[in-house]
Amino acid sequence: EAQVTQNPRYLITVTGKKLTVTCSQNMNHEYMSWYRQDPGLGLRQIYYSMNVEVTDKGDVPEGYKVSRKEKRNFPLILESPSPNQTSLYFCASSLRTSGTYNEQFFGPGTRLTVL
Amino acid sequence: AQSVSQHNHHVILSEAASLELGCNYSYGGTVNLFWYVQYPGQHLQLLLKYFSGDPLVKGIKGFEAEFIKSKFSFNLRKPSVQWSDTAEYFCAVISNFGNEKLTFGTGTRLTIIP
Repeated sequence: EAQVTQNPRYLITVTGKKLTVTCSQNMNHEYMSWYRQDPGLGLRQIYYSMNVEVTDKGDVPEGYKVSRKEKRNFPLILESPSPNQTSLYFCASSLRTSGTYNEQFFGPGTRLTVL
Repeated sequence: AQSVSQHNHHVILSEAASLELGCNYSYGGTVNLFWYVQYPGQHLQLLLKYFSGDPLVKGIKGFEAEFIKSKFSFNLRKPSVQWSDTAEYFCAVISNFGNEKLTFGTGTRLTIIP
């Protein structure tokens, strides 16, 4: 089944404890992206990747890191989480970003709470 | 920079009522436009999309949207809503030039009263 998977789905952690949220897609998509969803603010892009080893900042990159060593994986790293990073996180992927195939497919979400 | 505005934050309708959710974007070039739906506790799913051609786009579950370039709008419509349409709806735009990122509106929460 074609899908985007994220792990963990729920995470409660404490300030300053490094964590990684994994994202994997099995559709051979080039483009991958991370968003955070907060009430009243919709979805805001954190980082995106156009292809392997190519990443770039979105609208709210502060406090996050990403890597794209393989086409299928795009982990989100919080080196020193803070309470303002408590949010619902979505990973998404698409075949390519221009032309007719740039529909983005979303993962199930990761609800992160930083105490 | 591109932006998307959804002016209706929360809409409450009775079943069988007609629906129109507003979406306006700001970007001067060619855009692709999307409506996503998020049912309670679920991830985003694509309702419909506009890339080119006929400005009236039909999607899943009886939804449609009209792209009006002169008004920079892409409003979502459904002639008769059902209780199962209760969800949050997001309009999004991606430009074909520049950094090509997907920009979302803040969402409209739709509540359907049986």
